[in-house]
Amino acid sequence: DQQVKQNSPSLSVQEGRISILNCDYTNSMFDYFLWYKKYPAEGPTFLISISSIKDKNEDGRFTVFLNKSAKHLSLHIVPSQPGDSAVYFCAASEGGTYKYIFGTGTRLKVLA
Amino acid sequence: SQTIHQWPATLVQPVGSPLSLECTVEGTSNPNLYWYRQAAGRGLQLLFYSVGIGQISSEVPQNLSASRPQDRQFILSSKKLLLSDSGFYLCAWGDSTEAFFGQGTRLTVV
Repeated sequence: DQQVKQNSPSLSVQEGRISILNCDYTNSMFDYFLWYKKYPAEGPTFLISISSIKDKNEDGRFTVFLNKSAKHLSLHIVPSQPGDSAVYFCAASEGGTYKYIFGTGTRLKVLA
Repeated sequence: SQTIHQWPATLVQPVGSPLSLECTVEGTSNPNLYWYRQAAGRGLQLLFYSVGIGQISSEVPQNLSASRPQDRQFILSSKKLLLSDSGFYLCAWGDSTEAFFGQGTRLTVV
């Protein structure tokens, strides 16, 4: 039972363009969402998060959008850079449990 | 600042052999601790979760077990490894804002 899903296993984008990574969840009790970036043979690193009381959070080139009614969040990277090439995971947690459930990941490739 | 140590970085073990992966956290007390596994097509799967010494929640049925003998130590074990236990294992600690990951262990069961 995959509670957090990333339906696109891979995405290719030209340098300078926008990358949009999508994530869907099924548990309506999730109230905090995160995006992580992961390089091969390394642990994931935190990028950006959003609480369910918000619908948008921005940090530099990264913006996360949350649509609670659709149980959908997305990560926008603008402009995309070759160094952004990595696997991106979305994650969710429920009501102060601090238990983070991750999605299946999307491999982003930014083409120079 | 907080740091998390996980070892070994790579491990090749024969089927049926035991496993012990260790993770320690520095710079924080009473952390929430996690073991995740990254396997092809499965993303980062939460295996075990601990909110305190001796408290372990198992998220998926499997051939593995976890223990937390000390506040900042989390151990992943198996008595007899299966081929399907191969994967990339990640220890993490978490607070209310995010989970912080170790560098991971690449386990290959042969």
